[in-house]
Amino acid sequence: DIQMTQSPSSLSASIGDRVTITCRASQGIRNDLGWYQQKPGKAPKRLIYAASSLQSGVPSRFSGSGSGTEFTLTISSLQPEDFATYYCLQHNNYPRWTFGQGTKVEIK
Amino acid sequence: EVQLVQSGAEVKKPGATVKISCKISGYTFTDYYMHWVQQAPGKGLEWMGLVDPEDGETIYAEKFQGRVTITADTSTDTAYMELNSLRSEDTAVYYCTTVILKRGVPFDPWGQGTLVTVSS
Repeated sequence: DIQMTQSPSSLSASIGDRVTITCRASQGIRNDLGWYQQKPGKAPKRLIYAASSLQSGVPSRFSGSGSGTEFTLTISSLQPEDFATYYCLQHNNYPRWTFGQGTKVEIK
Repeated sequence: EVQLVQSGAEVKKPGATVKISCKISGYTFTDYYMHWVQQAPGKGLEWMGLVDPEDGETIYAEKFQGRVTITADTSTDTAYMELNSLRSEDTAVYYCTTVILKRGVPFDPWGQGTLVTVSS
């Protein structure tokens, strides 16, 4: 099975900060990765697909990069509505999925 | 409009079985797999498995193999997730979700989640 290691598990940041979250795959997964945002009491929402493509309607301050085993989600300028938990999801061994452990972004 | 509407919250005793439904609308049910995801309180997302509504074939995560059964009823466009031998650790919100391709771009609607509480 493919394991996803996401870091950090939590971070504190201020409005306007640049934030970076990383996911590492236990084996190469090409670009078969998405990034999700989840707010309390809500279902997850996809931000990024195919590692670096922005989902329609998602602000351009979100970006994804990486291929193979290392992937990054970047928020270029953190906004109040971005405080949430973020997850990566790999689907390389389709149709099985594996989520990262999650990163909680909190207000400093 | 694509919608996934799940059944309501459940309270079960340890050892019991729970069956949650997920009724879809707005797309062709048999065109896409239906996945189920577990989220325990304060914890992350865990993929449980999926069903192919076209032929009923299933794939389960190793953690849930033997305790989970996912089915699809094409007459009502409804997917089901049944979890047996419930224990306190199964207290969680369960989501159904699918991935629909629109001109090659994935779109993944989610159900609203169903809270299952396991308590004696």
